[in-house]
Amino acid sequence: GAVVSQHPSRVICKSGTSVKIECRSLDFQATTMFWYRQFPKQSLMLMATSNEGSKATYEQGVEKDKFLINHASLTLSTLTVTSAHPEDSSFYICSAQTGYEQYFGPGTRLTVT
Amino acid sequence: AQTVTQSQPEMSVQEAETVTLSCTYDTSESDYYLFWYKQPPSRQMILVIRQEAYKQQNATENRFSVNFQKAAKSFSLKISDSQLGDAAMYFCAYQRGGSEKLVFGKGTKLTVNP
Repeated sequence: GAVVSQHPSRVICKSGTSVKIECRSLDFQATTMFWYRQFPKQSLMLMATSNEGSKATYEQGVEKDKFLINHASLTLSTLTVTSAHPEDSSFYICSAQTGYEQYFGPGTRLTVT
Repeated sequence: AQTVTQSQPEMSVQEAETVTLSCTYDTSESDYYLFWYKQPPSRQMILVIRQEAYKQQNATENRFSVNFQKAAKSFSLKISDSQLGDAAMYFCAYQRGGSEKLVFGKGTKLTVNP
């Protein structure tokens, strides 16, 4: 089956620093990847759609200068949280589209102290 | 804008029994897909079942089946012979055109009692 990995699975950073999260499709090529944010006991909120070789499309209310997305290849998308603050602490999940289905990564728990 | 509504924040079922999770959606599109995803405590999202809107036949996957009522815009999930491993959050999701972003409902937490 299609496998999507995320790295790191957990990260703790200090306020004001930047952190990068990688999302990889391991056994398929994904022209489109998605980044979600999930608060405790809540649903997934789409942050942005990432297409290989082009700029990401951000959802309304998501700061594109704070959440930098790069889709460098058909198997890799990265999310960089710049100048992180405690309110950015959350669970970040990526997914990769192949055909008509999306496959999800295991998620990254970000804690900003 | 498309919306997905799950009206049951929590449900519980006895092991080996059957439970139905509700989902309604709102769209003016004719080409779309509906999904049920499971999120266990590990938080890994797992696809349970998928339904194409143009198909009248309800999708089934082993113990999981859906009741797709297109006119009513209803898409419920039935879990038969519930197992302890079925305990999880279940999210209903809508996707326009088969290759667009997913719109999720708020989820239903399913507890399976031994």
